[in-house]
Amino acid sequence: GEQVEQRPPHLSVREGDSAVITCTYTDPNSYYFFWYKQEPGASLQLLMKVFSSTEINEGQGFTVLLNKKDKQLSLNLTAAHPGDSAVYFCAVSAMDSNYQLIWGSGTKLIIKP
Amino acid sequence: DMKVTQMPRYLIKRMGENVLLECGQDMSHETMYWYRQDPGLGLQLIYISYDVDSNSEGDIPKGYRVSRKKREHFSLILDSAKTNQTSVYFCASTPGGPTEVFFGKGTRLTVV
Repeated sequence: GEQVEQRPPHLSVREGDSAVITCTYTDPNSYYFFWYKQEPGASLQLLMKVFSSTEINEGQGFTVLLNKKDKQLSLNLTAAHPGDSAVYFCAVSAMDSNYQLIWGSGTKLIIKP
Repeated sequence: DMKVTQMPRYLIKRMGENVLLECGQDMSHETMYWYRQDPGLGLQLIYISYDVDSNSEGDIPKGYRVSRKKREHFSLILDSAKTNQTSVYFCASTPGGPTEVFFGKGTRLTVV
């Protein structure tokens, strides 16, 4: 079945710098991708959902890139600020697995002043 | 307002006691999940429910059981709780298909 590897597990960057988190998946039939953000002591909130037909998706202060050839999904935070400190999870789903989300193991991002 | 509500938010139980964690959603979602999250770790899937009385084991079902008698309500039961079941438990729901999962705020369970 689908497996998702998320890297790095921990990431520390200075305020104003960029940060990149990457997920590598195995099922070429995966079509739906999600990034969630979990602030300390809180639940998971959807950051962005990406469909396979779109390779670049932009949000407020971040960009999600999908490389289908290498089966990689990346979250790129530009100009990180303290509010970005959180744990980030990617999730992948495919029609042939009944759209069940397969989760990455999470990346703890710390923004230093 | 779309919500997944978990009760209680915090719970302390003695080893061997029974535990009931409750989850409700007001979105008529068919599919609901129970996950646990240990400190510094990711999500581990305990059970999935595809609708009323249609439940499937996830990756770590041992020591847990679930009940779904109404679409909007999904319970997680620990019969004779163990200290290694101390964790944060998240309930989540989705309408099914290629859509996101909505999470509750979690229940922090401590078994002493």
